[in-house]
Amino acid sequence: AQSVTQPDIHITVSEGASLELRCNYSYGATPYLFWYVQSPGQGLQLLLKYFSGDTLVQGIKGFEAEFKRSQSSFNLRKPSVHWSDAAEYFCAVVGGSYIPTFGRGTSLIVHP
Amino acid sequence: EAGVTQSPTHLIKTRGQHATLRCSPISGHTSVYWYQQALGLGLQFLLWYDEGEERNRGNFPPRFSGRQFPNYSSELNVNALELEDSALYLCASSLRPGDRNNEQFFGPGTRLTVL
Repeated sequence: AQSVTQPDIHITVSEGASLELRCNYSYGATPYLFWYVQSPGQGLQLLLKYFSGDTLVQGIKGFEAEFKRSQSSFNLRKPSVHWSDAAEYFCAVVGGSYIPTFGRGTSLIVHP
Repeated sequence: EAGVTQSPTHLIKTRGQHATLRCSPISGHTSVYWYQQALGLGLQFLLWYDEGEERNRGNFPPRFSGRQFPNYSSELNVNALELEDSALYLCASSLRPGDRNNEQFFGPGTRLTVL
């Protein structure tokens, strides 16, 4: 069975500061990994995904994530946060069932 | 191109009643997924339909059911509503079922409140 842990429920950063959101997964084989963002009142939007190849993945809105197999991690990063990045962020892993397992989410708060 | 749409936006019911939630996938998508997003619990997978058939089901009681119509739209039915069913119900659609690299596109959700 697969699982995802997002250890931080809330993260607060100042606008312009760098950001890293943590995601740890558990899956026996090569995982397919996704990061989604959910703005208030909206559904989820895919930021980026990893399934093979280069372990540093570029996504939309200036986000990137790095897959580290040795640490079972897929952390999301952004070098400079904008106020519009305030949202809920979800990490997900897809295993053999083809159904993603989502983490509980990390709420990003951006201070001016 | 229209995205995934869901109706109604909000739904208020009382305990014991029945709720029906609807979802229209992106044109050309054959798979529809339903998720429950309760406060603080992330997304919990409910049901997956593809080509009119139920393909997978999450760990929810049988009073959660659904169906997919010939036009690939779907409805989620919840019988005998309980207070803990209060949540945001998200629908997603996808183009390539059975592919782990499959991106799901989400609708805005239906907020169900059970009083």
